[in-house]
Amino acid sequence: GENVEQHPSTLSVQEGDSAVIKCTYSDSASNYFPWYKQELGKRPQLIIDIRSNVGEKKDQRIAVTLNKTAKHFSLHITETQPEDSAVYFCAASIQGAGNMLTFGGGTRLMVKP
Amino acid sequence: GAVVSQHPSWVICKSGTSVKIECRSLDFQATTMFWYRQFPKQSLMLMATSNEGSKATYEQGVEKDKFLINHASLTLSTLTVTSAHPEDSSFYICSARAPPSGRNGFYNEQFFGPGTRLTVL
Repeated sequence: GENVEQHPSTLSVQEGDSAVIKCTYSDSASNYFPWYKQELGKRPQLIIDIRSNVGEKKDQRIAVTLNKTAKHFSLHITETQPEDSAVYFCAASIQGAGNMLTFGGGTRLMVKP
Repeated sequence: GAVVSQHPSWVICKSGTSVKIECRSLDFQATTMFWYRQFPKQSLMLMATSNEGSKATYEQGVEKDKFLINHASLTLSTLTVTSAHPEDSSFYICSARAPPSGRNGFYNEQFFGPGTRLTVL
């Protein structure tokens, strides 16, 4: 089955700096890659996703890039703010084949004011 | 739109009792729901896939007789933790998958419930 690795497990940045979180996946059939933000004790919230037919997607301060050949994708957050502090999870799935999400291990992002 | 609720949000029970958790899609029909378990500071681990009108598909290592799943309608799936023990204490989260037809405007996206924190004494 699919295996998703996520790095780093913790990331501390200064407010205003950029943060990058990287994930690799094992199943070349995976074609949908969402990123979730989870605050303590709350539900994961989808922040951005990318499908395998594009290499990059941007939404204001967040962007995701996908390299299908290398089977890795990354989340980029620019101009970080303290409210960006949370745990971020990447995931991979095969659309149209059950849509099960396989999650990475998570990255705890801390933005210091 | 695309709201998923869970009930209860928090439960404490004695060892040996059974606990039922409900997951509801409030404004869309979900033929497929997923149940996850999350330990503190860890990732979400898929326990099972719940399909309306059929048996759930359990992930390897998840005891189907211990974690009973019933998806009786297009808006409700339940997870019953039977004969709960302290090691079953965890955060249980469900998600519901939007219909692939996209009639609600959400193609195959999963929407998560708020989670249920189970503590077994």
